Amino acid sequence: AQSVSQHNHHVILSEAASLELGCNYSYGGTVNLFWYVQYPGQHLQLLLKYFSGDPLVKGIKGFEAEFIKSKFSFNLRKPSVQWSDTAEYFCAVNAKAGGGNKLTFGTGTQLKVEL
Amino acid sequence: EAGVAQSPRYKIIEKRQSVAFWCNPISGHATLYWYQQILGQGPKLLIQFQNNGVVDDSQLPKDRFSAERLKGVDSTLKIQPAKLEDSAVYLCASSQTPSGAGGYTFGSGTRLTVV
Repeated sequence: AQSVSQHNHHVILSEAASLELGCNYSYGGTVNLFWYVQYPGQHLQLLLKYFSGDPLVKGIKGFEAEFIKSKFSFNLRKPSVQWSDTAEYFCAVNAKAGGGNKLTFGTGTQLKVEL
Repeated sequence: EAGVAQSPRYKIIEKRQSVAFWCNPISGHATLYWYQQILGQGPKLLIQFQNNGVVDDSQLPKDRFSAERLKGVDSTLKIQPAKLEDSAVYLCASSQTPSGAGGYTFGSGTRLTVV
C-alpha cells in the first residue's frame, strides 16, 4: 500500500522567507501527486498537481513543486512567503489500489508566517 | 460550478448515539469519497463509491460505520453507535473518474464532536 511522509510537522517563518516543505512517498508504480492547502476554518483546496510531463509544476499563489522520481519526492516550494500563507499543507499521492485509485494523504505541515 | 455540498457543518453528540452526514458531489462526478480527518492527522479514506457501487471500503469500521449512495448521486455516512475516538472532521470529495485523473474536489466537511 502507498504511504506519504511529510517531514516537517510545524514550520514557522518570517514574511519574505523562502519555503520548502518535504514530501516523500512509497509506491512502486505510476503516481499522481498533489499538494493541498487548508486555511483556518476552510476546506481543502488544491495548490498544484503532477500527472506527467515537466516534473517542475507551478501552482496557484506562487507555489511550485518538483517531482524527483528517483527520490520518490515531491517537495513544495515558494521563494517568498506571505502572512496569508499561514495554513496547513498536505501532500497526497494518487495510485492504483484494490479496485480503483486511492488518494493517500500525508500527516500535514502546519505553516505559520510571522510579520 | 457548484462545489461539493456537505451538511451539517457541525454536530455534537454523546457517545453511543447515532449520527448521519450528507454529501452532494459535483454534478456529473461519478466517483465519491468519504474521508475522516482526526485533529493533527491527514485525511484517511473511509469509503469510495463509483456511481452507486462500493470500490473500496477496506478502512471503514463496518461494525459502526455505514455509507450508501443509492442513486449514484448524493451519499450518506452513518455512525452507530458513536465512540469518543470518532471525533473528527468528515470530508466528502468527488472526482469525474475513478482514477482521479481530473483531480479531486473536497467539501467543507462536517466537524463531529463526541462527548
